[in-house]
Formats: sequence, structure tokens, C-alpha cells
Amino acid sequence: EPEVTQTPSHQVTQMGQEVILRCVPISNHLYFYWYRQILGQKVEFLVSFYNNEISEKSEIFDDQFSVERPDGSNFTLKIRSTKLEDSAMYFCASSEVGNGELFFGEGSRLTVL
Amino acid sequence: AQKVTQAQTEISVVEKEDVTLDCVYETRDTTYYLFWYKQPPSGELVFLIRRNSFDEQNEISGRYSWNFQKSTSSFNFTITASQVVDSAVYFCALSESGSARQLTFGSGTQLTVLP
Repeated sequence: EPEVTQTPSHQVTQMGQEVILRCVPISNHLYFYWYRQILGQKVEFLVSFYNNEISEKSEIFDDQFSVERPDGSNFTLKIRSTKLEDSAMYFCASSEVGNGELFFGEGSRLTVL
Repeated sequence: AQKVTQAQTEISVVEKEDVTLDCVYETRDTTYYLFWYKQPPSGELVFLIRRNSFDEQNEISGRYSWNFQKSTSSFNFTITASQVVDSAVYFCALSESGSARQLTFGSGTQLTVLP
């Protein structure tokens, strides 16, 4: 069964460092998303991406964040200068059309020290 | 603005008991989608169901069933004859305007099924 894959599964970084989280969405999907979940809290929307551009973003997704689909298969989330409060599980998701089932990856746990 | 409330933070049941997880939502849209996701201890999010706002038929899938009531803005999830493997956090989510571009999640219900 096709799945969304994310790397790394866990990353530890120092505050102020740049981090790139990578995702390979399901191959025929057209919509891509990043969500995050701070430990023990709800899952929060960060950004959605369609047709090579951001279609929606939340207030969490400030100038420190960026997304890219550099090569037609990977979908990346970059955090320019990490803060302690960026520590969370980051989920990538994709969907074939923008009206229903999102397939989530297993998440990348980011720990900022 | 859309909002999803899962008032039950934690529920414990004994195996084979039935359990219902509550979800209440708020939206100003007439077209919207409701979802349930399961998050097992391993951490991934597993899609369970999607429902659109025009389809109030209850749905059953094996031991799972969903009760959608627009009149009370609720979309409750029942597990019949619960099993230990059902232990997980369950999230209800809402998307407005017929698009899943942005899912708003509830805070989740931690279900523990004891043997």
C-alpha cells in the first residue's frame, strides 16, 4: 500500500540552527501538507501546498518556516532558526484531491535544545 | 471560525465493553467534512472515516460506527466490543468549504482498553 514517508524520524538540534524535514508524498497525490503536534497536545495545521505554491498557511507558519518541492517527489519543511518551542512532532500529509482523505506520514520528532 | 471539541480527555474501559467517543464541532459553513483519526502509541495518524455535511446516514465498519447529527453538531464514534489494540488517542477533525486543505483537529481522547 502506498504511503507517505518522512525523514528523519527524530532530530535533535541546538536552538538557532536550521532544520530541514523531508517528506515523500504518495506519488499521484497533488496536495501536500505539514501539521505539527506539540507533545500531548492537538494536531495543528501549518501549511498546505498545491501546484507548486502555498495554498493556505496558519499563523504558526511565520517567516521562520518555508516549504519546497524541489524535485517533484520530495516535499520539505525548513525551519530557519529553531526555537525551543519548535520542539514537536511534525507530520507530512498528502491527498489525491483537495476534498477528503489525507494520508499522514509517521512523523518527524524535532527536539530543540 | 471552525472549532472541534472532544470533551473526554481520557476513557478507560475493560475489553469487550462498548465505548463512545464524543465530538462536537462548530462551523459557519454549510458545506464541510468531518473526520476521525487514530493515533496509536507508535505516533502515526491513521485515517478512519470522512463524512460530508450532506450525508447524515450513520456508518458502520466492522466494530466501528459513527453517528452524525447536524441538529446537535455532533459526530460521535462508537467502538463495539473493544479490544486492547484499540488503545490509542482518537482525534476528531473538521474541514470547511468542502476542502481538506486545512483540517482543524480536536484535542483528542485517550482511550485505554484494559484486558
